Amino acid sequence: GDSVTQMEGPVTLSEEAFLTINCTYTATGYPSLFWYVQYPGEGLQLLLKATKADDKGSNKGFEATYRKETTSFHLEKGSVQVSDSAVYFCALRGGGANNLFFGTGTRLTVIP
Amino acid sequence: GAVVSQHPSRVICKSGTSVKIECRSLDFQATTMFWYRQFPKQSLMLMATSNEGSKATYEQGVEKDKFLINHASLTLSTLTVTSAHPEDSSFYICSAIAGGSYGYTFGSGTRLTVV
Repeated sequence: GDSVTQMEGPVTLSEEAFLTINCTYTATGYPSLFWYVQYPGEGLQLLLKATKADDKGSNKGFEATYRKETTSFHLEKGSVQVSDSAVYFCALRGGGANNLFFGTGTRLTVIP
Repeated sequence: GAVVSQHPSRVICKSGTSVKIECRSLDFQATTMFWYRQFPKQSLMLMATSNEGSKATYEQGVEKDKFLINHASLTLSTLTVTSAHPEDSSFYICSAIAGGSYGYTFGSGTRLTVV
């Protein structure tokens, strides 16, 4: 079945450090891939998405590239800020499904 | 933008009682809502898919008599945890598909603690 394996946290970085959160997936067909972010006390918000191989999703300085050959969708940001502190979820939506499959989430803390 | 309002955000209840969680779609109609459950350090697990005007579809292993889902209107879906026990303590999140570019919209979640 479809699944997402996400780098476990927590991750603690200093401000302006480079961020990578790894995400790999298993799916039949051609899934769409997503990164969601959950700030403290809030619901999940879509951060970025990619719907086909080699697509790059980007938003707020974050990027992720849909790599079919490595079944990966790693999240990166060149210079994190304190305000990026949140929990990040990698997710996929299978070709024939409506629901999302989530990774375990990675808690990021950015310290000044 | 598309917003899903979920409440309560936190609830503590006694073992054996029932708890209702509501999710409302604001400014859009949600024919389908999803209910997820999240255990500490684990991913969000889909519990059921709620369709307006029809019975919910439950995932394998989810007790439909324990987790009652009602989706009586295009803007409201409810999850009732019946005869709650401490092992039901968890974080419950709803989600709806909004049209256009909004895609999946999530509620802010409900932290249920059964004592």
